[in-house]
Amino acid sequence: SQTIHQWPATLVQPVGSPLSLECTVEGTSNPNLYWYRQAAGRGLQLLFYSVGIGQISSEVPQNLSASRPQDRQFILSSKKLLLSDSGFYLCAWGLRGGRLEAFFGQGTRLTVV
Amino acid sequence: QKEVEQDPGPLSVPEGAIVSLNCTYSNSAFQYFMWYRQYSRKGPELLMYTYSSGNKEDGRFTAQVDKSSKYISLFIRDSQPSDSATYLCAMIDAGGTSYGKLTFGQGTILTVHP
Repeated sequence: SQTIHQWPATLVQPVGSPLSLECTVEGTSNPNLYWYRQAAGRGLQLLFYSVGIGQISSEVPQNLSASRPQDRQFILSSKKLLLSDSGFYLCAWGLRGGRLEAFFGQGTRLTVV
Repeated sequence: QKEVEQDPGPLSVPEGAIVSLNCTYSNSAFQYFMWYRQYSRKGPELLMYTYSSGNKEDGRFTAQVDKSSKYISLFIRDSQPSDSATYLCAMIDAGGTSYGKLTFGQGTILTVHP
């Protein structure tokens, strides 16, 4: 069966510090990969998606970037965090073709102080 | 106007009640509809996945889609305290360039009290 791992679960970082969140998927090949952000009391906003190694599409302009160095690895990064980057970050995967639902990791709660 | 509108609640019901959760949408290109359940500080988990208009039942859960009205619903029968969570509707425009990108509602916070 497929599983998705996301870490860390909680992170407190000072303004101006770098960020690296990692997500890996097991049990499937060539997945679509996604990074979503959820602000308090809000729905999920898609930040990045990837349909293959090195292929990244950004949905909203922001202080963040994403990379996919391996088929089942997706990384969310920032060189200098802003207070507004605080939120709940969720990695997800989906099948290429066929059913279109996404399967989510457990999320990282990021607080920028 | 948001593409997907969902009343955030909160909604509080007694155990055993029938719960009705709803979303409306404006983009007629949405073709696939999902309901996710999210417990506090956890990632969303898929509850229901539907494509066509009509009803789909899974245990105590029924998903309903009315494409002509751009309206979807989730019904929970015999609600339990363990159903207390945030319920998120999500939709996909399955056109060639969508790549399975979900558009979410804001989520409805549900509390089922004993």
